[in-house]
Amino acid sequence: AQSVTQLDSQVPVFEEAPVELRCNYSSSVSVYLFWYVQYPNQGLQLLLKYLSGSTLVKGINGFEAEFNKSQTSFHLRKPSVHISDTAEYFCAVSPTTGFQKLVFGTGTRLLVSP
Amino acid sequence: ETGVTQSPTHLIKTRGQQVTLRCSSQSGHNTVSWYQQALGQGPQFIFQYYREEENGRGNFPPRFSGLQFPNYSSELNVNALELDDSALYLCASSLGQLNEKLFFGSGTQLSVL
Repeated sequence: AQSVTQLDSQVPVFEEAPVELRCNYSSSVSVYLFWYVQYPNQGLQLLLKYLSGSTLVKGINGFEAEFNKSQTSFHLRKPSVHISDTAEYFCAVSPTTGFQKLVFGTGTRLLVSP
Repeated sequence: ETGVTQSPTHLIKTRGQQVTLRCSSQSGHNTVSWYQQALGQGPQFIFQYYREEENGRGNFPPRFSGLQFPNYSSELNVNALELDDSALYLCASSLGQLNEKLFFGSGTQLSVL
């Protein structure tokens, strides 16, 4: 079984400041890793994913994440946030073999203020 | 916009009633997954349909059931609604069972009173 922990339920930050949203996971098998964003009253949109290869993954809207296998982490970063980045961010994993359901964390609300 | 459409967008039911939620998958996609997102929580996997057969299920009771039609659209049915069933229900479609190519709809907000 897999589990995902997003320790920060809310992260307030000022516009143009850098941000890091933390994600740790637990799994007995190899996993793929994902970050999704959810804007108010909308579904989930894929920001980026790690399947294999380079541990630094670049996604949409200037976000990037780094896979650290030894620390079982997949933290999301952005060097300079905008007001429009205010949203809920979900980290998720799925096993690389067998039935591939997504297991999500509880989410981190990013609040960007001017 | 992903091309995955869900209807209705909002629904209010009372405890004990039955509800049907609908999902039209993105063109060319043959797999539909359903997720329940309770307030303040991450989405939880309900089940997945691949070529009209259920091929995976999460930890949900049998009163949660589904269908997939030949055009790959899907329904989620919930019987004997309980207050805790109040949530956003998300549908996601993909070509095959690959999570790396999963596209989500905007969801149906279900309120059970």
